[in-house]
Amino acid sequence: ELKVEQNPLFLSMQEGKNYTIYCNYSTTSDRLYWYRQDPGKSLESLFVLLSNGAVKQEGRLMASLDTKARLSTLHITAAVHDLSATYFCAVDIWAGNTPLVFGKGTRLSVIA
Amino acid sequence: KAGVTQTPRYLIKTRGQQVTLSCSPISGHRSVSWYQQTPGQGLQFLFEYFSETQRNKGNFPGRFSGRQFSNSRSEMNVSTLELGDSALYLCASSRDAWDEQYFGPGTRLTVT
Repeated sequence: ELKVEQNPLFLSMQEGKNYTIYCNYSTTSDRLYWYRQDPGKSLESLFVLLSNGAVKQEGRLMASLDTKARLSTLHITAAVHDLSATYFCAVDIWAGNTPLVFGKGTRLSVIA
Repeated sequence: KAGVTQTPRYLIKTRGQQVTLSCSPISGHRSVSWYQQTPGQGLQFLFEYFSETQRNKGNFPGRFSGRQFSNSRSEMNVSTLELGDSALYLCASSRDAWDEQYFGPGTRLTVT
């Protein structure tokens, strides 16, 4: 059974600081997703990582994938309050025809 | 291009009743997946439909069922509701099996 573990589950950061969220998964995967969820809202796609060594950046967020280590990271640079949300990673075991398996999410709170 | 739509957005039901939730995928998308999100269990896969056929099913009791119509719209049904069925139900669509999933706004179901 595929397991996806995120850590930390809760993160309180000061504005302007950097931090990294980790996503470990237990079996080989072709692709990994990062989503953002605001309270009471749906999932917003942030990044799709499709190969080993993939790195994607959008604004203050950068995601990377190491398929050999079965690890993805979401790095936050110079955090701002607007980044406060819950971040999920999700793993797709095969290229389609399978559900996404989600981590438990990291609840990020950025404080002044 | 219109996104994934779900109706209703909010629903309150009583234990023992049944409920039907609807999902309209993005135009051209043939795959529809359903997920349940609860604080305790996180995001869990319910089932996936492609061209009116259920291809995958998660580990949920038979009270949870679904179907997909020829226009790719999908419904899920929960019979004999239990308090534990209170959750946010998310629908996601993708063009095909190997494509990225796009999530709808969700239906918040409360069972009293």
